[in-house]
Amino acid sequence: AQKVTQAQTEISVVEKEDVTLDCVYETRDTTYYLFWYKQPPSGELVFLIRRNSFDEQNEISGRYSWNFQKSTSSFNFTITASQVVDSAVYFCALSEVETSYDKVIFGPGTSLSVIP
Amino acid sequence: DTAVSQTPKYLVTQMGNDKSIKCEQNLGHDTMYWYKQDSKKFLKIMFSYNNKELIINETVPNRFSPKSPDKAHLNLHINSLELGDSAVYFCASSETLPGGPVTQYFGPGTRLTVL
Repeated sequence: AQKVTQAQTEISVVEKEDVTLDCVYETRDTTYYLFWYKQPPSGELVFLIRRNSFDEQNEISGRYSWNFQKSTSSFNFTITASQVVDSAVYFCALSEVETSYDKVIFGPGTSLSVIP
Repeated sequence: DTAVSQTPKYLVTQMGNDKSIKCEQNLGHDTMYWYKQDSKKFLKIMFSYNNKELIINETVPNRFSPKSPDKAHLNLHINSLELGDSAVYFCASSETLPGGPVTQYFGPGTRLTVL
């Protein structure tokens, strides 16, 4: 079973629309980390955010915000007022500290296209 | 300054050849990784080294051999290249704290094409 599910394979939005990328994870560990990475068309992997399992506080960084809900095992990512530069593949990832120390499991990614 | 660097950026070679990809990090991290990203963008960990010691080997064919001369370098050598090895290979590094590894920082990737 996939440990990190990103059900949306591809999303297209028009510039300035808000968009939410879903991430659902599966773990039995009580201590774990969740991440979001961005991979723009140029190919590099850019770290966006890390959240540990004990910190359910939502976070906002500019136009980006993250909603962590342990009750639903979700860590969703919202881009407000999307821009063309947001076009990229976005990966959600999980690191289970107790089960598999040192290993990060990536979801399959969501390809976001922002149309001008 | 580049934090995690890889060379070469592109590698085109014939089936059956042996090739190496080099990775260096100047972040002072003690854990380094190799990932493979296939044509569908799926990222999968291959190896992890902590202070030059192999920690993770994810059932990668033994044609792939990582080598870590020191904790700032983790090179990947591939013998007898096959068509299915064509992919983008990413090196990454992270700091390891008592609670576990923290954020991984990735190199720019090496696009390997086997003809």
